[in-house]
Amino acid sequence: EAQVTQNPRYLITVTGKKLTVTCSQNMNHEYMSWYRQDPGLGLRQIYYSMNVEVTDKGDVPEGYKVSRKEKRNFPLILESPSPNQTSLYFCASSLSPSGEETQYFGPGTRLLVL
Amino acid sequence: GENVEQHPSTLSVQEGDSAVIKCTYSDSASNYFPWYKQELGKRPQLIIDIRSNVGEKKDQRIAVTLNKTAKHFSLHITETQPEDSAVYFCAPGGGTSYGKLTFGQGTILTVHP
Repeated sequence: EAQVTQNPRYLITVTGKKLTVTCSQNMNHEYMSWYRQDPGLGLRQIYYSMNVEVTDKGDVPEGYKVSRKEKRNFPLILESPSPNQTSLYFCASSLSPSGEETQYFGPGTRLLVL
Repeated sequence: GENVEQHPSTLSVQEGDSAVIKCTYSDSASNYFPWYKQELGKRPQLIIDIRSNVGEKKDQRIAVTLNKTAKHFSLHITETQPEDSAVYFCAPGGGTSYGKLTFGQGTILTVHP
């Protein structure tokens, strides 16, 4: 089954404790992206990747890191989480890196930073 | 980057009525215009999209219309049903930002039985 998976689905952590949210897709998509969703603010792009080893900042990259060492995986790293990073996070993938194709979203990761 | 505005932010209708949500964008080079639906607690999923060489596309009760000159596109839902209640997002793509995507703020649609 074609899908995007994320882990963990729920995470409670404390300020400053490094964490990684994994994202994997099995559709051989070139493009992958991370979004955060906050009430009233919609989906805001954190980072995106147009291919292996190619990543770029979205609209809200501060406090986040990403890597794309393999085509199927695109982990999101919070090296020193802060309470303002409490949010719902979605990973997405797409066939085309140009934004001209459907975004397929993972199930989401709900993060609480205390 | 692309400026995307979506209106209205909330929309309440009676079952059977029509609903229209508008998305305005700034990048005239954009050429892909999707609408995503997000049900409560779920992930966003594409419900309909249109490309810049087409003015209108219909799929049963939903349709999308595009006005490239005015830089806006709209989602039309006819004969609304309670299961249409969700948040709807637009996300124009394919423009000069190439890969950097901006979503609209979302429209909360509530369909009352």
